[in-house]
Amino acid sequence: KQEVTQIPAALSVPEGENLVLNCSFTDSAIYNLQWFRQDPGKGLTSLLLIQSSQREQTSGRLNASLDKSSGRSTLYIAASQPGDSATYLCAVTGNTGKLIFGQGTTLQVKP
Amino acid sequence: ETGVTQSPTHLIKTRGQQVTLRCSSQSGHNTVSWYQQALGQGPQFIFQYYREEENGRGNFPPRFSGLQFPNYSSELNVNALELDDSALYLCASSFRDIYGYTFGSGTRLTVV
Repeated sequence: KQEVTQIPAALSVPEGENLVLNCSFTDSAIYNLQWFRQDPGKGLTSLLLIQSSQREQTSGRLNASLDKSSGRSTLYIAASQPGDSATYLCAVTGNTGKLIFGQGTTLQVKP
Repeated sequence: ETGVTQSPTHLIKTRGQQVTLRCSSQSGHNTVSWYQQALGQGPQFIFQYYREEENGRGNFPPRFSGLQFPNYSSELNVNALELDDSALYLCASSFRDIYGYTFGSGTRLTVV
């Protein structure tokens, strides 16, 4: 049974700091891994999608890496801003087609 | 290109009642999935529809049911509401799961 874990559960950093969010999964037989952002009480916004054959994806200040063999992904946020404050969720898709989510990391960036 | 839209945004129901939530998938997407997200938790998979057929279900009781229509929009129905059904319900659509999913803004259901 696939399980996804995100560490840390919460993170508070000063503005301008570079940071890394971690995601691990137990079954390496995945199709892809997707990182989402969720603002309080809102839906999910897709940030990055990494296919199982890829090692990383980049969008602006965000970079996500995938190491399928070790069951790990990281989301790197450069030069953090207060507007980055949100909950970040990672999710994997396997042959069932459903997304399996971690519990999320709640990020607070202080001005 | 329109995104995924869900209605209503908020809903308050009484225990024992029935509720229907609606979702319009993103243009070009033929797969719709529903997720339940309790406060402080990651979303949990309820079920998925592909071309009007259910093709996957999570660990939810039969009182959670759904439909997908020919235009790929979808409904989630919950009968005999319980207090624990209070959550954010999220709809997601995709063309194929390998291309990732697009989520709507969710429906906040409160059962009192």
